[in-house]
Amino acid sequence: KAGVTQTPRYLIKTRGQQVTLSCSPISGHRSVSWYQQTPGQGLQFLFEYFSETQRNKGNFPGRFSGRQFSNSRSEMNVSTLELGDSALYLCASSPQGTHNTEAFFGQGTRLTVV
Amino acid sequence: GESVGLHLPTLSVQEGDNSIINCAYSNSASDYFIWYKQESGKGPQFIIDIRSNMDKRQGQRVTVLLNKTVKHLSLQIAATQPGDSAVYFCAENWDSGQNFVFGPGTRLSVLP
Repeated sequence: KAGVTQTPRYLIKTRGQQVTLSCSPISGHRSVSWYQQTPGQGLQFLFEYFSETQRNKGNFPGRFSGRQFSNSRSEMNVSTLELGDSALYLCASSPQGTHNTEAFFGQGTRLTVV
Repeated sequence: GESVGLHLPTLSVQEGDNSIINCAYSNSASDYFIWYKQESGKGPQFIIDIRSNMDKRQGQRVTVLLNKTVKHLSLQIAATQPGDSAVYFCAENWDSGQNFVFGPGTRLSVLP
C-alpha cells in the first residue's frame, strides 16, 4: 500500500508569489491534515479536510488555504508569500479522521521563499 | 539533511542501552497521544499511540507511559540501536478530528 505522497518535494518561490502544494493520502483514507514545520515554531497544525470539507483550522492567516477533492486528494495554497513562510509543509492522512485515530505523514514539501 | 530544530534538547545514549524520552503535554483535556520519529529529510513516522484510559502501552522495543496527573508522557526504547537516532515528537489530541498539537521534540543520538 503506497504511503502519503506529497508533490513537489522541493520548491523555491519569490516573495509575493503564490504556491500550491499537493497531497495524495493513503488509499482509502478520507481525512487529510496539513502542518507547517519550522525550526523556530516546530510542527503547527494548519487545517484538516474530510469529505471535501474543512473540518478544523489552525491559527494561520487567510493567505493559507486548502481544498480536498472527491478522491480525497488535497491541495494547499499560500498566496502573497513571505520570507517567513519558508518551511517544511507536511500532509497527514487518516482513515476516517475521527478523534483518537492515528495520522500518517508524507515526506513533506520543502518551500523556500527568497 | 534538513534541520528539524536548531536548539532541541538532546539525549545521547550508548548503543544497546535503554532510552527514555520525556514530554510534558499542554492540555489536561487531551485524551489521545502519539509518539512520532522523524529522521532527517523525512516526514514524522508513527511509533506508538496511547489513549487516556490507559497508563501504559507496549510495542516492539518501545513502551509509552502516560501520567495524566502531571500531564507527562514518556517513550522508552529498549536496546537502543543506531537506527533509532532521530528527533522524537509527542503529539496530543483532544478535539474532534485530526488537529494534533506537537511537542518541541527531542533529538536522540545513539553513540557506538
